[in-house]
Amino acid sequence: DAGVIQSPRHEVTEMGQEVTLRCKPISGHNSLFWYRQTMMRGLELLIYFNNNVPIDDSGMPEDRFSAKMPNASFSTLKIQPSEPRDSAVYFCASIGYSGTYGKQFFGPGTRLTVL
Amino acid sequence: TQLLEQSPQFLSIQEGENLTVYCNSSSVFSSLQWYRQEPGEGPVLLVTVVTGGEVKKLKRLTFQFGDARKDSSLHITAAQPGDTGLYLCFSGNTPLVFGKGTRLSVIA
Repeated sequence: DAGVIQSPRHEVTEMGQEVTLRCKPISGHNSLFWYRQTMMRGLELLIYFNNNVPIDDSGMPEDRFSAKMPNASFSTLKIQPSEPRDSAVYFCASIGYSGTYGKQFFGPGTRLTVL
Repeated sequence: TQLLEQSPQFLSIQEGENLTVYCNSSSVFSSLQWYRQEPGEGPVLLVTVVTGGEVKKLKRLTFQFGDARKDSSLHITAAQPGDTGLYLCFSGNTPLVFGKGTRLSVIA
């Protein structure tokens, strides 16, 4: 299995530009999480989906952020317009279950720099 | 205020030493998970603890869940440079949150 795939791995953009981050979860996993990681705030949950439906988006910082999961094998996180404070590493994780408790499988992350 | 408080924030030790890191909360959890994150990668699950007082061992790593299910500890025996990384605890119930982690550096 290829694991969780994220693209791009690195993105450098200018303030005001639209940014789209992509995630392909592990096949068969029904839940998908988007996180943001910074030194100051740590790893923050932005939104999560169950069976392609957004369940909790309370972590999405502003209306500039939006996420979609059109099918079980693809999700996007969009920032429009981007700001320098959005600079962070963005992770996608899909959930596999062994018994009752889920195990999050993380992608390698997208390092976003907004100038 | 963080729901999950991890301490210490940073730890630098010599190879062969023992160490303990902590994950504390005022809330009760149905379970807690520990992850390790290496530079440039996503976190990887180490263990899930679910029962108050539970102790789980993973080679030189020993995980304990507090009796009241509000806290957990991770003890590493005879640390090695390969143990270097960011150790994160994660809540097993809503709100789903990570602690800010303990950044461990083991020097050869």
